Amino acid sequence: AQSVTQLGSHVSVSEGALVLLRCNYSSSVPPYLFWYVQYPNQGLQLLLKYTSAATLVKGINDFEAEFKKSETSFHLTKPSAHMSDAAEYFCAVIQNTGNQFYFGTGTSLTVIP
Amino acid sequence: DTGVSQNPRHKITKRGQNVTFRCDPISEHNRLYWYRQTLGQGPEFLTYFQNEAQLEKSRLLSDRFSAERPKGSFSTLEIQRTEQGDSAMYLCASSWPRLAGGEYEQYFGPGTRLTVT
Repeated sequence: AQSVTQLGSHVSVSEGALVLLRCNYSSSVPPYLFWYVQYPNQGLQLLLKYTSAATLVKGINDFEAEFKKSETSFHLTKPSAHMSDAAEYFCAVIQNTGNQFYFGTGTSLTVIP
Repeated sequence: DTGVSQNPRHKITKRGQNVTFRCDPISEHNRLYWYRQTLGQGPEFLTYFQNEAQLEKSRLLSDRFSAERPKGSFSTLEIQRTEQGDSAMYLCASSWPRLAGGEYEQYFGPGTRLTVT
């Protein structure tokens, strides 16, 4: 069975500081991995995805994530937090032969001015 | 392309009533997915369609739940005899597998928030 674990349900950073949101996956075969962002009362928006190409993936709004097979991780980073980054972030995994996304429980990011 | 739309956005119903939600995917997308999201949790897969065929259903989809996509375009999700535990956000997503990697890129609607009193 596949799953993702997001460490830290709440993360607070100062505006301009580094953002690091953690995601670890468990999968018996190489998965595809995604980060989505959800603003209040809205659906999920894709930030970036890893589909077995480059291990360092760049997404929208200066977010990036690195796939590390040895650590089974896919952490999301952004060099400098902006107030508009405050939202809920979800890591998700799908097996390349499957159709179901498995989402983590989410990390709520607060940006302190 | 106006994105995935869902109606209604909010629904309050009394326990025991039936409710129906609608999802309109992005027009050229042939795959459509339903998810349920409860407070503090990530979305959980319910079911998906390829065109009009319902190809996969989660164990979460009890007999009180039924989903249809009669013409391969919009989809409806009906919950019969609602229970308080059905209160959640119901999300719809669509995708277009013919794009390289497109089958793995799902576009989500804004969701329908159901409250069962």
